[in-house]
Amino acid sequence: DQQVKQNSPSLSVQEGRISILNCDYTNSMFDYFLWYKKYPAEGPTFLISISSIKDKNEDGRFTVFLNKSAKHLSLHIVPSQPGDSAVYFCAAISNGAGSYQLTFGKGTKLSVIP
Amino acid sequence: GAGVSQSPRYKVAKRGQDVALRCDPISGHVSLFWYQQALGQGPEFLTYFQNEAQLDKSGLPSDRFFAERPEGSVSTLKIQRTQQEDSAVYLCASSPGQGNIQYFGAGTRLSVL
Repeated sequence: DQQVKQNSPSLSVQEGRISILNCDYTNSMFDYFLWYKKYPAEGPTFLISISSIKDKNEDGRFTVFLNKSAKHLSLHIVPSQPGDSAVYFCAAISNGAGSYQLTFGKGTKLSVIP
Repeated sequence: GAGVSQSPRYKVAKRGQDVALRCDPISGHVSLFWYQQALGQGPEFLTYFQNEAQLDKSGLPSDRFFAERPEGSVSTLKIQRTQQEDSAVYLCASSPGQGNIQYFGAGTRLSVL
C-alpha cells in the first residue's frame, strides 16, 4: 500500500516554462514533506521541504505547495532549465513516530527540452 | 565539506555469498539511515541509527540483513547468503539531528548473479 504516490512517471516541459510535479499521500500522520532530485548514478539530493503547518515554501525557482485537506503537494519550477532534467522524488516523514524514516514516492522523470 | 561516502560503488556477488556495504556519514551527523532502491522505485527504508543505537530496524526484509554502527559514525550493512531479489541500490543517508532533512550518498549498486 503506497502511502506516497506520484502518479505521473514522466513529464516533458519546454525550457523557460513552468514544471509542475504532483504528489499525493494517504497517511494523515505525515507532518513534514521533502522533494529530492536525482541524477543517474548519483544519490538523491535535497531540494526543498515544507512543514505541515505551512502551505507554501519558496526557494529561488522552486516552490512547494501543500494542501493538507486534499493530502496533496506540488513542486513548481519556474523557469524550467535543461539542467533540471532529473527524477524528482516526493518524500514524507511522521515525526511523531520516532523513527524519522522517509517514505518516498516512485518518482517523476522530468525532461526539460531546450 | 565531504558528503556521505559509500563503498564500494558497485558490487557483484554470487548467490549465497555474504556482502558488506560501508557508509561514512557527514562528520558530526547523529542520525544515519539505510534505504534500498529497486529499479524504477523510490527508496525504501531499511534501518535507522541514532549515534550507535539502532532505534528502528523494521524495514530490514529478513534476518539475512544486519546493520551496525559501533562507534556512532561509520556504518556497515551486511547481507548474508545473498539472493537474486537482493539486487538493488543501497543508499545511506545522514542527518545532523533527529530526522527531517537527510543527506544521501551515491549508493552501492548490488547485483546478485
